[in-house]
Amino acid sequence: AQKITQTQPGMFVQEKEAVTLDCTYDTSDQSYGLFWYKQPSSGEMIFLIYQGSYDEQNATEGRYSLNFQKARKSANLVISASQLGDSAMYFCAMRQYPGGAGSYQLTFGKGTKLSVIP
Amino acid sequence: GAVVSQHPSRVICKSGTSVKIECRSLDFQATTMFWYRQFPKQSLMLMATSNEGSKATYEQGVEKDKFLINHASLTLSTLTVTSAHPEDSSFYICSARALIAGARTDTQYFGPGTRLTVL
Repeated sequence: AQKITQTQPGMFVQEKEAVTLDCTYDTSDQSYGLFWYKQPSSGEMIFLIYQGSYDEQNATEGRYSLNFQKARKSANLVISASQLGDSAMYFCAMRQYPGGAGSYQLTFGKGTKLSVIP
Repeated sequence: GAVVSQHPSRVICKSGTSVKIECRSLDFQATTMFWYRQFPKQSLMLMATSNEGSKATYEQGVEKDKFLINHASLTLSTLTVTSAHPEDSSFYICSARALIAGARTDTQYFGPGTRLTVL
């Protein structure tokens, strides 16, 4: 069974500083994908970034980067130059590949609440 | 691209009534949609996987007869909470699987959610 662990219930960061949100995962699959989503207080889930298990380079999307350490089974999200609008819940998720009825399902962590301080 | 809408955004109903929530993919076709439930300050709990033209696959512990899911077209899935009770009050959020141009993999794109309150 897959499992996602986010050990930081809450994090604070000063505006314009960088912050790292931790995510570790457990799976016996060789092929899998890791996702980060942002959930503002409005409730919608916003897709941020994706990392495939066979990707050799860390994924980057604008101010978001994913520090992928496969041997340690960690996929930490790094947000650079934090903005007030970054205050939200952040969820790490994993999906397995390939095939099978559950192969498109996401397993979510419990989330980390990020608060950006002016 | 990959915009998902959900309607209604909020609904308050009396105990015993049924409530229908719609999830639409606006700019793409979604063969697979998902329904989640989220309690305050908790993570998303997958309720069911909905495939167009076939019966939904429910997660263990989710009552099929209570949470009716219909995915009649490639852009619409509905969740009907039948005979709602106060314990059904929650935030319900849907997602649709899409592979958008330029993306490295298909991803779940989420609707804005529906807050259900059962009195």
